[in-house]
Amino acid sequence: GAVVSQHPSRVICKSGTSVKIECRSLDFQATTMFWYRQFPKQSLMLMATSNEGSKATYEQGVEKDKFLINHASLTLSTLTVTSAHPEDSSFYICSARDRNYEQYFGPGTRLTVT
Amino acid sequence: SQQGEEDPQALSIQEGENATMNCSYKTSINNLQWYRQNSGRGLVHLILIRSNEREKHSGRLRVTLDTSKKSSSLLITASRAADTASYFCATDANNQGGKLIFGQGTELSVKP
Repeated sequence: GAVVSQHPSRVICKSGTSVKIECRSLDFQATTMFWYRQFPKQSLMLMATSNEGSKATYEQGVEKDKFLINHASLTLSTLTVTSAHPEDSSFYICSARDRNYEQYFGPGTRLTVT
Repeated sequence: SQQGEEDPQALSIQEGENATMNCSYKTSINNLQWYRQNSGRGLVHLILIRSNEREKHSGRLRVTLDTSKKSSSLLITASRAADTASYFCATDANNQGGKLIFGQGTELSVKP
């Protein structure tokens, strides 16, 4: 089946710094990728929809200047958490949709901001 | 809230028993999907049921969909300790570009 990777799988950063998370579709092209955030013991919350070659669409309440999304190619989308704070510590999961509209999830990135 | 409702929030059963989890949603959908997540890990896709389907089976899993009630259920038969995980339903709503909206999840504990 189709594989989606995320890098890094785990990252610890200091408050005020920025962190970039990559989401790659390894064996298919994804015109659309989605970014989710999951706090402990909670469900996944959709943050934004990333379309190749265009600006991301953010869900209500998600700060687009804080969570920068770039979908530079059909196999790569990046999420940059700018000026991270401890409350941004979370599990970030991406998914990628292929041309048949099947959606595949990455393994997630655990971000800890100290 | 953008999320649907799932119940129960937590379920504890003995190995061999059946586990039933329910999901309700708010909008018209293209399909509904069920996922499993082990603690601290990624999602595992279990089953997808389309809006024109009423029931689907996969191994020990049985999923039903009632679009008139906007609800779905996941039944795991003959549960095993390895089934211990969180289970989420996710809806692919009409005209939403394929984004999935997740329910709050059910935390299942299967005791050996």
